[in-house]
Amino acid sequence: KAGVTQTPRYLIKTRGQQVTLSCSPISGHRSVSWYQQTPGQGLQFLFEYFSETQRNKGNFPGRFSGRQFSNSRSEMNVSTLELGDSALYLCASSGTSGGARNEQFFGPGTRLTVL
Amino acid sequence: DAKTTQPPSMDCAEGRAANLPCNHSTISGNEYVYWYRQIHSQGPQYIIHGLKNNETNEMASLIITEDRKSSTLILPHATLRDTAVYYCIVRIRTQGGSEKLVFGKGTKLTVNP
Repeated sequence: KAGVTQTPRYLIKTRGQQVTLSCSPISGHRSVSWYQQTPGQGLQFLFEYFSETQRNKGNFPGRFSGRQFSNSRSEMNVSTLELGDSALYLCASSGTSGGARNEQFFGPGTRLTVL
Repeated sequence: DAKTTQPPSMDCAEGRAANLPCNHSTISGNEYVYWYRQIHSQGPQYIIHGLKNNETNEMASLIITEDRKSSTLILPHATLRDTAVYYCIVRIRTQGGSEKLVFGKGTKLTVNP
């Protein structure tokens, strides 16, 4: 089975721009979660999508948004980029509808640099 | 906030067992303990999870105390490729069946030759 894929792997943007990151989950997985990782704050949960619906949301401003398509692929968007948005953005997929035992499998991440 | 406490760093000699401790004194009865690791600049990798009983897989063993307030991840024969940050996570279940992982700062394990 192919793993979680994220595109692009690296991205450089300037302040004020917007960016869209893409995540393709493992085949058959319906839940996709997004995380932000920075040296200062570590790994922080952004949001989770299941069956095209956002089920859970972390404590991030509204500039961070996401969506999920019918094939479970997901995108996240960050508008009006700030320097502090420079981070590794990780996507994780899981297979069940919410059972406590399901594991989350992470992709390699997208490294976003905001100049 | 993360519900787990881990030492910030540990060292281990190659070929020896690495024992990584984790405290989760406020864990609820239906919460699992999960371990992930992250090799530099890669996505976290699932290692193992458990509820009450000790667990073993091809990567590691997980020992959970009887009161479930702490656990230990054991890498039986550490190699240089096991150098990574290891995260101990208690699964938080939110309303609607969704779940998220709350990562602490983890333990930076360095395996030395």
